[in-house]
Amino acid sequence: GAVVSQHPSWVICKSGTSVKIECRSLDFQATTMFWYRQFPKQSLMLMATSNEGSKATYEQGVEKDKFLINHASLTLSTLTVTSAHPEDSSFYICSTRYQETQYFGPGTRLLVL
Amino acid sequence: GENVEQHPSTLSVQEGDSAVIKCTYSDSASNYFPWYKQELGKRPQLIIDIRSNVGEKKDQRIAVTLNKTAKHFSLHITETQPEDSAVYFCAATSGTYKYIFGTGTRLKVLA
Repeated sequence: GAVVSQHPSWVICKSGTSVKIECRSLDFQATTMFWYRQFPKQSLMLMATSNEGSKATYEQGVEKDKFLINHASLTLSTLTVTSAHPEDSSFYICSTRYQETQYFGPGTRLLVL
Repeated sequence: GENVEQHPSTLSVQEGDSAVIKCTYSDSASNYFPWYKQELGKRPQLIIDIRSNVGEKKDQRIAVTLNKTAKHFSLHITETQPEDSAVYFCAATSGTYKYIFGTGTRLKVLA
């Protein structure tokens, strides 16, 4: 399977600041990456699909201006949580698609104070 | 819209017994069904998958069955061990590759 890294693994920030999360595909070139959000004891909620060289596709209800996604290369996608608020605290996980299967990064735990 | 229902939400079994988790999907175009295991605080890991042209697939102690007519697929774990304790998610996808995940099943294997 594919190897996916994510950085940072956890971050604490103050309300109003922005946080950038990186997702890297280490062993193959990923034209498509996915960003998920997971609340405690809940399922994975797809936020957006990141496409290399083009705009991300956001799911209904996800604010594109708040969750900025950039997929500038075939191995790197970034998610920036802008003007973070406590309700943005969550576990953010990216995944890459290799053939039909999605392989997940280790996740980033965000705590906004 | 597209939906995947997963049952049960929690499941406790004695070590050595079998565990069965069931999912039902709504999109008849779905053709790929992966299962993921997620341990606390970690990433979901693919444990088995099945494509729509196959009715059953087995890998050691785990197996998945698919009933396309009924739009059901199930995960079977035999001879459960304490390390099988985790949350299990099913998913369904069609050619768009966007996954629709089930709500998860928290499996606890009692020693």
